[in-house]
Amino acid sequence: SYVLTQPPSVSVAPGQTARITCGGNNIGSKSVHWYQQKPGQAPVLVVYDDSDRPSGIPERFSGSNSGNTATLTISRVEAGDEADYYCQVWDSSSDLWVFGGGTKLTVL
Amino acid sequence: EVQLVESGGGLVQPGGSLRLSCAASGFTFSSYSMNWVRQAPGKGLEWVSYISSSSSTIYYADSVKGRFTISRDNAKNSLYLQMNSLRDEDTAVYYCAREGDIVGATYFDYWGQGTLVTVSS
Repeated sequence: SYVLTQPPSVSVAPGQTARITCGGNNIGSKSVHWYQQKPGQAPVLVVYDDSDRPSGIPERFSGSNSGNTATLTISRVEAGDEADYYCQVWDSSSDLWVFGGGTKLTVL
Repeated sequence: EVQLVESGGGLVQPGGSLRLSCAASGFTFSSYSMNWVRQAPGKGLEWVSYISSSSSTIYYADSVKGRFTISRDNAKNSLYLQMNSLRDEDTAVYYCAREGDIVGATYFDYWGQGTLVTVSS
């Protein structure tokens, strides 16, 4: 089955840029989606189809996808961005929806 | 406003059964595919099952295939998950999630708050 690999944790100072990666075999050929989950809350979609943002999501959140790595970039990081972030794809070869293991973003 | 409200979680013994429900409102439920996603305590997200808008297409994760059954009642704006032969490793918060509203969408744009299922003797 298709596997998505994320770093367990990423730390960044307020105002800086955070980059969270999601690795997968030829992931650039798939549509990658990103979710933010704060403690005790349901996940929230922050980027879909590699780089599109749902309404209400700040422009500080952006995404890219190429080759074997997709990246969620959070610019001008704020304390409120501290959360777990998950990447997700649909694996058409198996008709399964796959999540990465998640990355805990810590704002120093 | 889109709302998804899960119910039916609780404590069940290994080998037991439970039926989860998800009540949808604020959108035309019959036009959207729906999913169940779960999260074990302290762990990541795991997709569980998918059902198309008309129930014509259904998929399951290998971990639940043959034990769980997804269904929906469009007249009642409700999604269900029948869980049988429950195991300890099925302990998790179960979320219902709506598939995105773009044709061919493969993401989940709205999620419920989840219902906790605990499998323990």
